[in-house]
Amino acid sequence: DGGITQSPKYLFRKEGQNVTLSCEQNLNHDAMYWYRQDPGQGLRLIYYSQIVNDFQKGDIAEGYSVSREKKESFPLTVTSAQKNPTAFYLCASSVDRVPQPQHFGDGTRLSIL
Amino acid sequence: AQKVTQAQTEISVVEKEDVTLDCVYETRDTTYYLFWYKQPPSGELVFLIRRNSFDEQNEISGRYSWNFQKSTSSFNFTITASQVVDSAVYFCALSVRGGSQGNLIFGKGTKLSVKP
Repeated sequence: DGGITQSPKYLFRKEGQNVTLSCEQNLNHDAMYWYRQDPGQGLRLIYYSQIVNDFQKGDIAEGYSVSREKKESFPLTVTSAQKNPTAFYLCASSVDRVPQPQHFGDGTRLSIL
Repeated sequence: AQKVTQAQTEISVVEKEDVTLDCVYETRDTTYYLFWYKQPPSGELVFLIRRNSFDEQNEISGRYSWNFQKSTSSFNFTITASQVVDSAVYFCALSVRGGSQGNLIFGKGTKLSVKP
């Protein structure tokens, strides 16, 4: 079955540590996205990529980094510069750029130790 | 600037009741797209509908219906004869053509609880 796989489901970060969240899709979609969701809040865009080897900052990119070396993969690194990383992170993909519907993964919940 | 407002933070209904989730949007663009997504407790967002600004026809899909009114900048979502499985957080989202590519602007969501 085609879909988006995010791993791990739960992740804990120590102070000063960088962590990487994985996102893989087998939908053959060109565009991929990373969102952050805080309790009681909507989703906020961190980064997006419309094509391999290209990505753009979203609304809250500070403290995060991404890469897009393969069409299928769009990992997100939460760096130590992100002072409030505790959140639910969702990866999405779409056939092309918005306004095509985005398909979402199951998310990764990141917490601080 | 674009904005989506879902004024209802939480709604609780009893099974078989009808329920309407409100969505009000703001944009100066004439071409835009509106979406509804469902987020069940498992966490993933499930796409429900997309509507463009030139199509004001209401849509019905089974127990779900959507009422798009440009005059009031609203895109409301009604669930008829609600079921326990409808319990989830529902998000309304907006995208404008030519805007920051990839940017879906989400409302804060409405948490719907359907009790048996």
